[in-house]
Amino acid sequence: DTEVTQTPKHLVMGMTNKKSLKCEQHMGHRAMYWYKQKAKKPPELMFVYSYEKLSINESVPSRFSPECPNSSLLNLHLHALQPEDSALYLCASSQRAGGYNEQFFGPGTRLTVL
Amino acid sequence: AQSVAQPEDQVNVAEGNPLTVKCTYSVSGNPYLFWYVQYPNRGLQFLLKYITGDNLVKGSYGFEAEFNKSQTSFHLKKPSALVSDSALYFCAVRDTGANNLFFGTGTRLTVIP
Repeated sequence: DTEVTQTPKHLVMGMTNKKSLKCEQHMGHRAMYWYKQKAKKPPELMFVYSYEKLSINESVPSRFSPECPNSSLLNLHLHALQPEDSALYLCASSQRAGGYNEQFFGPGTRLTVL
Repeated sequence: AQSVAQPEDQVNVAEGNPLTVKCTYSVSGNPYLFWYVQYPNRGLQFLLKYITGDNLVKGSYGFEAEFNKSQTSFHLKKPSALVSDSALYFCAVRDTGANNLFFGTGTRLTVIP
């Protein structure tokens, strides 16, 4: 299995809602990532988990809360989002964080905040 | 500090012609360099990477890239473009010792039938 899966594909939420994005990989990778991508822009790194521990938080607002329950799963909990948070949220994984390890990306969750 | 530049927002090429998508980088140590492709409303797909060694790197779907240390460039190439190659291409760099992968702004490639 060489795939990163993400659910849901699309999500529409109000500013007072609480929702979660899910990501899963079964490649035995020990690093997982969340990125935010706006239209026609490069992905922006949000969080990096290495061996299930948060290793990088790129000064992301606290309304985004990551969680890594085990080595295969990565969640992103959303609460009190703003319309400007609407974007494509990409999950990725790699064998290890850093170095020459390429990242494998999921298809993304298209989030719209009303 | 690390950075990467893709000087062309848009590249148009006729089907069957060779294509080049340009990338230059800046790192303080030795670079690890990557190319990714993104189709509309999809995640990024890994094409190829440079670690060390041979300056010409071969990747997926017939793509290759040439590492040039003196010009700090890592241009993506393909000898004969296909219409299906039309997509958004991202160059990315990671400095040795860094965890972050830093992406360029992307180049939209359009292959004209």
